[in-house]
Amino acid sequence: SQQGEEDPQALSIQEGENATMNCSYKTSINNLQWYRQNSGRGLVHLILIRSNEREKHSGRLRVTLDTSKKSSSLLITASRAADTASYFCATVRLSGNTPLVFGKGTRLSVIA
Amino acid sequence: GAGVSQSPSNKVTEKGKDVELRCDPISGHTALYWYRQRLGQGLEFLIYFQGNSAPDKSGLPSDRFSAERTGESVSTLTIQRTQQEDSAVYLCASSNGGGYTFGSGTRLTVV
Repeated sequence: SQQGEEDPQALSIQEGENATMNCSYKTSINNLQWYRQNSGRGLVHLILIRSNEREKHSGRLRVTLDTSKKSSSLLITASRAADTASYFCATVRLSGNTPLVFGKGTRLSVIA
Repeated sequence: GAGVSQSPSNKVTEKGKDVELRCDPISGHTALYWYRQRLGQGLEFLIYFQGNSAPDKSGLPSDRFSAERTGESVSTLTIQRTQQEDSAVYLCASSNGGGYTFGSGTRLTVV
């Protein structure tokens, strides 16, 4: 069953604007990860945030985690046309030794 | 290798035929995962191998699906008597405890 649910399902912005995508999940987690997928093929790992962390940065990416609300957000600042892709959140359950459970993704379109 | 390699990249098969999909994980990665992604959908977990432990097969949708892994290297996913509903991209990933590294997938089309 799906663990993560991304919101919105689709997002269209102008180049240079910031993009914010949200993810909610249902069970207690060990960590939460964000992935990017171009053209419906392989996914690329962007960032991992552990359950005891609240915020993490990587380049133009900022991820927050609120375990009390079981939610996470991914912020992409100063977006570029090349950021156009689908973005997925995925969670590892608390036991840790379980496979990632993915949401359905947010389709981001950045218009030049 | 430098990344996760999957073959073939595309496969068209007739309904009722068996297919075998291959995954070469990153050398040294103890964990290997198979996922399925239907068009416009999220990833659906199929099976997970971790070292020499018994695989987690809880995501396999039917007994037509099976997978094997040789030690900590190559894995094959076999679908017997394919059905049109099996059409999807089959993604393999490996990890060593952190983020996953995915292959480019095999696009399976059952006609």
